[in-house]
This record gives sequence, structure tokens and C-alpha cells, in this order.
Amino acid sequence: DGGITQSPKYLFRKEGQNVTLSCEQNLNHDAMYWYRQDPGQGLRLIYYSQIVNDFQKGDIAEGYSVSREKKESFPLTVTSAQKNPTAFYLCASTDPGTSGSDEQFFGPGTRLTVL
Amino acid sequence: QKEVEQNSGPLSVPEGAIASLNCTYSDRGSQSFFWYRQYSGKSPELIMFIYSNGDKEDGRFTAQLNKASQYVSLLIRDSQPSDSATYLCAVNMDSNYQLIWGAGTKLIIKP
Repeated sequence: DGGITQSPKYLFRKEGQNVTLSCEQNLNHDAMYWYRQDPGQGLRLIYYSQIVNDFQKGDIAEGYSVSREKKESFPLTVTSAQKNPTAFYLCASTDPGTSGSDEQFFGPGTRLTVL
Repeated sequence: QKEVEQNSGPLSVPEGAIASLNCTYSDRGSQSFFWYRQYSGKSPELIMFIYSNGDKEDGRFTAQLNKASQYVSLLIRDSQPSDSATYLCAVNMDSNYQLIWGAGTKLIIKP
């Protein structure tokens, strides 16, 4: 089955810690995205990558970092500089050349809580 | 600024009735439009996409696009309790495959 996996499902972070959220896809998609969702709000773009070894900041990149060393993997690190990281984090991918549309496919999400 | 606006709701609809969800967007040059459904605690899943003016039907769902008025709507016929969820509208406003998201409308179907 093709899809996007995210791990862990739940993550707890202590003050001052860096944590890394995993996102893996086997859809052979070029573009991948990280979003943050707060209760009652829509999705806000953190970072995106349209090709391996390249990524761009989204609207709320401060306090986050990413890497794209492999096509199938796009991990997100939440650094200690992110002052309010408690949220639901969603990874998505798209490839109009493969799917025929620019719809985004989502992983199941990671819920991060700061203790 | 590129924006997508939705009424946050909640929108309460009796079971079996038609639910109508609306979305407006700021960029007149937008090309593709998406409706996603999100259950509480879950990730969004695509319901429909639409590219051209007019109606697009898929089962109980109909997407309507009016580019001149810059709105897109989603109609759900014969609403079921399982349709209770938050519905997110997303718009591609340029050519780099980024979507601009609305905050979502919470829909409640009452048995």
C-alpha cells in the first residue's frame, strides 16, 4: 500500500529539548510539506520541499528545521527556539505528474505536547 | 495577502437534509480548489477537487465553483451522522503546488 507514515503518533517534549518528527512516503512524490494545526484552526505551512536537497520556509518556519536528503523522507525538527510547540503536526506530499492533480495526501499526524 | 475564508460554524443540519458549506478566496487567478474532510484528531482526507466553473458531482457530494464571484461551495445531500466533521477548503493560488487553507467549517448532523 502506498502512503505517508508519520511517527511517533504522540510526542512529549520537555522545555529546552529538540525533538524530531518523522515523515516517510512511498508514493514517489517530489513535493513534501509540513503543516501545523492548532485547535479550531486551519493548516499553517511550516516548510516545504519540491525536490531532494532543497526546501523553502513557509509562513511559520521560526523555531523549526527540516532536511530532505532522500526523496521519500522529510523529517521536521522542533527546536527549543519554538516557544509554543504544542500542536498537531501534519506531513503531506503531492506530485501532479504522478497523480494528475495537485491534491495533497496526508500522513496520520503527530500530536506534540510540551510538558 | 492570499486568503481563504470559511464560516467556522458549527453548522447544524438535520439528518437527511442538504448541508451547504461555503468558501471564498482572495486571488482571482486561482486555478484549483479542494474540499477536505477532517474528523477530530485525524488528518484531512480529500472529498473533492474542482478546476472549472460550474458543478461537479460525486455521489452525495457536489462542488460548485464560481470564479467570477471567487467562491467555491460543497453540498452534501442526504446528510448522515457520519458526515459530522470539519470541512476544510484549500485553494492553489499559484503554480508551485502550495495550497492556501481555510480555517474549516464544523458540520454537525443531528439524528
